[in-house]
Amino acid sequence: NAGVTQTPKFQVLKTGQSMTLQCAQDMNHNSMYWYRQDPGMGLRLIYYSASEGTTDKGEVPNGYNVSRLNKREFSLRLESAAPSQTSVYFCASIQRDSSYEQYFGPGTRLTVT
Amino acid sequence: KQEVTQIPAALSVPEGENLVLNCSFTDSAIYNLQWFRQDPGKGLTSLLLIQSSQREQTSGRLNASLDKSSGRSTLYIAASQPGDSATYLCAVRPPGGSYIPTFGRGTSLIVHP
Repeated sequence: NAGVTQTPKFQVLKTGQSMTLQCAQDMNHNSMYWYRQDPGMGLRLIYYSASEGTTDKGEVPNGYNVSRLNKREFSLRLESAAPSQTSVYFCASIQRDSSYEQYFGPGTRLTVT
Repeated sequence: KQEVTQIPAALSVPEGENLVLNCSFTDSAIYNLQWFRQDPGKGLTSLLLIQSSQREQTSGRLNASLDKSSGRSTLYIAASQPGDSATYLCAVRPPGGSYIPTFGRGTSLIVHP
């Protein structure tokens, strides 16, 4: 199993450009998440998808959109990037059996100039 | 609202020491607690998962304990090594099928030779 994979690993955007971060998991997990991690701020939840076909806002959803394409894939879109969106983005999924153990991807480091 | 605190924020110890990392949470009604390790520039790796009905979990030199009534968990690392240098985060999950864990901000550990 590859676990949770994310593409790209690194990206530099200019202000106003758009892009989509891709996430996929091969563990047959129902729930998937997008977080951002900034120095001194910890992990903050952007959006999550409890199951295929549903998405919900987290703590910091402004400026982002998501798509749960199928059970495996959950993408995060920045429509008009801003310097405040410079961050490291992590995708995660949860095993919704009795354990509810969470697994993370390797992250995407995004810089907006 | 659940709050998770990890103290200290940073810790530097000589190789070979046994050490304890702390994780405190304000609401004792939790489903489980998960400890993660994060190396610089990498994603979060799951170390140990303790269900609310358990008191501790062990993996190699790591032992995590849970005391729900006092809102505390500790991660004990025996015979620390330079390779243990990383940031350690804890996350608590509420009961009732909620999919949203609450994360602490982590303890940054340096083990020097």
